[in-house]
Amino acid sequence: KNEVEQSPQNLTAQEGEFITINCSYSVGISALHWLQQHPGGGIVSLFMLSSGKKKHGRLIATINIQEKHSSLHITASHPRDSAVYICAVEGGKLIFGQGTELSVKP
Amino acid sequence: GAGVSQSPSNKVTEKGKDVELRCDPISGHTALYWYRQRLGQGLEFLIYFQGNSAPDKSGLPSDRFSAERTGESVSTLTIQRTQQEDSAVYLCASSLRANYGYTFGSGTRLTVV
Repeated sequence: KNEVEQSPQNLTAQEGEFITINCSYSVGISALHWLQQHPGGGIVSLFMLSSGKKKHGRLIATINIQEKHSSLHITASHPRDSAVYICAVEGGKLIFGQGTELSVKP
Repeated sequence: GAGVSQSPSNKVTEKGKDVELRCDPISGHTALYWYRQRLGQGLEFLIYFQGNSAPDKSGLPSDRFSAERTGESVSTLTIQRTQQEDSAVYLCASSLRANYGYTFGSGTRLTVV
């Protein structure tokens, strides 16, 4: 079993839908990151969380340390949100999830 | 600089040639990781530098891969005699120290033809 598991692996949504991507981990961590990777391969850091909730525009990230779980939410999704979303945790070393490929259709 | 800078952002090379990828971490960051992501796969650990300690090279896939970093400065990842299987996005991340909040570069896309 991977130390960081994301679900779903693939997600197709219609423009305007509310989207949730989940990340569960099995190790103790000091921080959790959500990253966005566009088709060209470039990676953008969206959030770094150690507790609670953060919001940036239409993106919201939450973390529950006791349950070892984080969610990334996208409100009013748009085709430009189509990308791979990656969860990464800092727990002795940096460990990445396998990514969730999101496609938002107009 | 303000962030972690990787160069080049894209590199196309012929099979058998050597390539050098560069990562400029944030000034003062002692911890630095290299990862790679091959098409359709997750991010794969390559090497980890922490200050002046011996690097953790356990993720390097073959002896064609090497990486250098002097102190807290720039790191270079060198791939000798490139193969098509080396085609991937190579990602660098740095931190003030281990487990202190990593900052990610935007990656270098390497294509071996």
